Amino acid sequence: EVQLVESGGGLVQPGESLRLSCAASGFNFITYTINWVRQAPGKGLEWISYVSGSSSAISYADSVKGRFTVSRDNAKNSVYLQMDSLRVEDTAVYYCMRDMGHLQFDPWGQGTLVTVSS
Amino acid sequence: QSALTQPASMSGSPGQSITISCTGTSSDIGAYNYVSWFQQHPGKVPKLVIYEVNKRPSGLSNRFSGSKSGTTASLTISGLQAEDEADYYCSSYTTFHTVIFGGGTKLTVL
Repeated sequence: EVQLVESGGGLVQPGESLRLSCAASGFNFITYTINWVRQAPGKGLEWISYVSGSSSAISYADSVKGRFTVSRDNAKNSVYLQMDSLRVEDTAVYYCMRDMGHLQFDPWGQGTLVTVSS
Repeated sequence: QSALTQPASMSGSPGQSITISCTGTSSDIGAYNYVSWFQQHPGKVPKLVIYEVNKRPSGLSNRFSGSKSGTTASLTISGLQAEDEADYYCSSYTTFHTVIFGGGTKLTVL
């Protein structure tokens, strides 16, 4: 079964850091780009970042550029999202998903909740 | 870059057809045929329903179809069913090598 599982969410204070993980199984991980998308409580979807299979292509949304860093370890079938200088407005459920090509985002993980609050 | 523009809400009766629009710019929808649509039921994970403007994932009902004209993409759901009540989001690749989503449309089946 193709599966993605996020972990690492939690409650942090503004200015602190958090590292999210996305563990993949059931497919040839190295051949796929992985994206991160977040959803603030009661709000819509916001794309955050992607990393290609070889990590040769990486991109970020303007809202997180310079604060978030995406990386992957193909030996561990995992993608990471290092989030620094967290702000209250970063509070959201963070999803990772496989891109089967040209925004064919499938499947999505179940999400992990990040809460930034003092 | 601003989000793609979708109507905040739409409604239809069972059996009817509805079309949700998604308006962008020449830097996103107008630049590529890489538009996807996602369905999200309350409390659930989003699900892909259309990719590359008009392609359906394997196993998805053919009641869902997509199209594009210029800088506007559309999702049409025919033969509305109660289970179609959900939030729908469009997305597009951009010329800045980023991805952008629409604000979402809440579909109510009356």
